[in-house]
Amino acid sequence: DAGVIQSPRHEVTEMGQEVTLRCKPISGHDYLFWYRQTMMRGLELLIYFNNNVPIDDSGMPEDRFSAKMPNASFSTLKIQPSEPRDSAVYFCASSRQGTNNEKLFFGSGTQLSVL
Amino acid sequence: AQSVAQPEDQVNVAEGNPLTVKCTYSVSGNPYLFWYVQYPNRGLQFLLKYITGDNLVKGSYGFEAEFNKSQTSFHLKKPSALVSDSALYFCAVRDRAAGNKLTFGGGTRVLVKP
Repeated sequence: DAGVIQSPRHEVTEMGQEVTLRCKPISGHDYLFWYRQTMMRGLELLIYFNNNVPIDDSGMPEDRFSAKMPNASFSTLKIQPSEPRDSAVYFCASSRQGTNNEKLFFGSGTQLSVL
Repeated sequence: AQSVAQPEDQVNVAEGNPLTVKCTYSVSGNPYLFWYVQYPNRGLQFLLKYITGDNLVKGSYGFEAEFNKSQTSFHLKKPSALVSDSALYFCAVRDRAAGNKLTFGGGTRVLVKP
């Protein structure tokens, strides 16, 4: 298994531009999570899905952020318009419901820099 | 609401010495507790978890953690640290009655010196 795959690994963009981050969860996993990591705020949960349905988006900072999961093998996190304060590492993680569903598998992250 | 506190930003230890990384938590119900490790430029990796049963949990790479309900703590330990254990360690908690939302602590950087 290739694990959770995120793209791109690095993204540099200018303020005001649209940014789309992509995630492919592990096949068979029914939970998908988007986290953001910064030095100041640590690791924050933005949103999570169960069976492609958003369950909790209370961590999404504002309307500029949106996430979708059109099918079980793909999710996107979009920022429009982007701002310098959005610069962070964005992680996607997935897990499978069951007695061991607590084990999250993380992707390698997308390092986003907004200039 | 659930929360996790890792009181130490950094822990320094000599190779071969015991390593302890502290974690305390707060949940309204019964907790699921976890430790994850992050190496540079990588995502987090699962180390171990406490769900129920024995308070001493053994995990990957020789790590273990002890659940202490009265002190609401879940400290991570390793009897003999290796230089390769140098990384960022995260404690996490989930309230069993609060959906599938995992809350992470701020992380503790461990530096093991040769």
